[in-house]
Amino acid sequence: AQSVTQLGSHVSVSEGALVLLRCNYSSSVPPYLFWYVQYPNQGLQLLLKYTTGATLVKGINGFEAEFKKSETSFHLTKPSAHMSDAAEYFCAVIVNNQGGKLIFGQGTELSVKP
Amino acid sequence: NAGVMQNPRHLVRRRGQEARLRCSPMKGHSHVYWYRQLPEEGLKFMVYLQKENIIDESGMPKERFSAEFPKEGPSILRIQQVVRGDSAAYFCAGGSVSYEQYFGPGTRLTVT
Repeated sequence: AQSVTQLGSHVSVSEGALVLLRCNYSSSVPPYLFWYVQYPNQGLQLLLKYTTGATLVKGINGFEAEFKKSETSFHLTKPSAHMSDAAEYFCAVIVNNQGGKLIFGQGTELSVKP
Repeated sequence: NAGVMQNPRHLVRRRGQEARLRCSPMKGHSHVYWYRQLPEEGLKFMVYLQKENIIDESGMPKERFSAEFPKEGPSILRIQQVVRGDSAAYFCAGGSVSYEQYFGPGTRLTVT
């Protein structure tokens, strides 16, 4: 069965520091990969996605992620954290031959210290 | 949230009542997905619908839950005889292809 693992349910960084949120997936076929952000009491906003092509994907708000097939990873990074980045981040996959359902990781709550 | 509308935003029901959650995707989006976010848990897929068709309901509880997406009007997620364990945030997402899912703001259901 396909699954998504996010390492670390809570990550804390200082403002201006590098943000690294880890995501690994298991899938027997090439997946589509996504990162979503959720602010308190709001819905999910798509940060970025990988479907095909270039493995380094740039998203909104300065975030990017790299698809590494050999490592089955899709880690999210941002060079310099901002206070407004504090939120919960979800990694998700769609397995190409299983329709459209997103399979989510458990989420990582990012805190940004001043 | 790219114009996906969900209502109500908050819903309180007593045990045994029915809950109806509505989702209107953006105009032109013919796919609707429902997800549930339980406290301290991640988001779980419930059902995937296209106009007048249920495509995948593998995540729906076997009893009390149903969903529809009629030719006209919003998609409805219906929970009959609610129990406390149904308290959660319910999100719908709309799109025209599977890898473009735009989420609504969610309905937070509280069962008392």
